[in-house]
Amino acid sequence: DVKVTQSSRYLVKRTGEKVFLECVQDMDHENMFWYRQDPGLGLRLIYFSYDVKMKEKGDIPEGYSVSREKKERFSLILESASTNQTSMYLCASSLSGSGANVLTFGAGSRLTVL
Amino acid sequence: ELKVEQNPLFLSMQEGKNYTIYCNYSTTSDRLYWYRQDPGKSLESLFVLLSNGAVKQEGRLMASLDTKARLSTLHITAAVHDLSATYFCAVHRNQFYFGTGTSLTVIP
Repeated sequence: DVKVTQSSRYLVKRTGEKVFLECVQDMDHENMFWYRQDPGLGLRLIYFSYDVKMKEKGDIPEGYSVSREKKERFSLILESASTNQTSMYLCASSLSGSGANVLTFGAGSRLTVL
Repeated sequence: ELKVEQNPLFLSMQEGKNYTIYCNYSTTSDRLYWYRQDPGKSLESLFVLLSNGAVKQEGRLMASLDTKARLSTLHITAAVHDLSATYFCAVHRNQFYFGTGTSLTVIP
């Protein structure tokens, strides 16, 4: 089974701090994604990556950046955390190609910004 | 922008009853997914529907896809408490677009 591991389950940060959320997958998936999940809004795509050193903006990239230096690792960075970035962050990965390409999710990182 | 709407958003049902969750999407899509999320947990894949008329079943859950109507349904048969969770549909068109989720509570 594909395993997607997010480094922190719970984080509490202060406004203005720099925050790193790490995600590692162990099954050689090309595609990796960062979503945030908020009540009543479902999942919204922040950034995604189809290859090493490649990134694409999703629907809500403002206030975030990403890094993908290695195929297995996709990092989400909040340069200066704000209270409206308090949320659950979900990392996911999938294979490329014409198959079903199911997303496999990590356990999530719940971030609170005070 | 592709929009995905689920209804109902909240569903409380008694054990043993049947119900259907609906997922409508706004433009053509080549794939439709259903995920389940238990409280405090992440999302797990339930079904992938890849063509018009596709039907998948697993236990008390059955998913179907009508691409002409841009509609997928998740039918629950004889609900049991273990099915209590939030269910998301998602469509794929260059990226994944998720519905807002249906929170299902099955009452004994």
